[in-house]
Amino acid sequence: NAGVTQTPKFQVLKTGQSMTLQCAQDMNHEYMSWYRQDPGMGLRLIHYSVGAGITDQGEVPNGYNVSRSTTEDFPLRLLSAAPSQTSVYFCASSPDRVSWAQYFGPGTRLLVL
Amino acid sequence: RKEVEQDPGPFNVPEGATVAFNCTYSNSASQSFFWYRQDCRKEPKLLMSVYSSGNEDGRFTAQLNRASQYISLLIRDSKLSDSATYLCVVTNTGGFKTIFGAGTRLFVKA
Repeated sequence: NAGVTQTPKFQVLKTGQSMTLQCAQDMNHEYMSWYRQDPGMGLRLIHYSVGAGITDQGEVPNGYNVSRSTTEDFPLRLLSAAPSQTSVYFCASSPDRVSWAQYFGPGTRLLVL
Repeated sequence: RKEVEQDPGPFNVPEGATVAFNCTYSNSASQSFFWYRQDCRKEPKLLMSVYSSGNEDGRFTAQLNRASQYISLLIRDSKLSDSATYLCVVTNTGGFKTIFGAGTRLFVKA
């Protein structure tokens, strides 16, 4: 199993540009999440999904959209990039709602100029 | 007040030392508790789940005190390879809202 994969690894955007961060998992996990990690602030939940076709907002959803058309994929879309969205983005999946242990992808480092 | 608070560190310890990490959480309805480890510029990885009865995995021991809303992680006989940031994680009602502490950085020196 590849686990949780994310692309791209690095990205530079100009303010106002849009892009999609890709996330895929091959473990048949129902639950998937997107986090951003900023220095000194820990990981913050952006959006999450409890299954195909079901998504909801986390702590910091503004400026981001998600969709979950399949169990495997959970892309994160930046609608109009802003410098405040410069961060490291992690996708995670979880196999069940009993333990809520999460498995993370390697992350995408995003710089918005 | 942050929902999950950790000592920011860093902790600098010699090899072989015992080191303790502490974490407090503010939501008494929190359901699940974890310690994750994050190496520099890498993704977080699950280290241990934390149970009320306490649990141990080799050199690592985790404790939960629900009454005090306090979680701890003890590392015995520290190794150079233990150098990392340790994240305290709490999952609240329904499991949908997972809160990460900011992490405590550990440096183990030879």
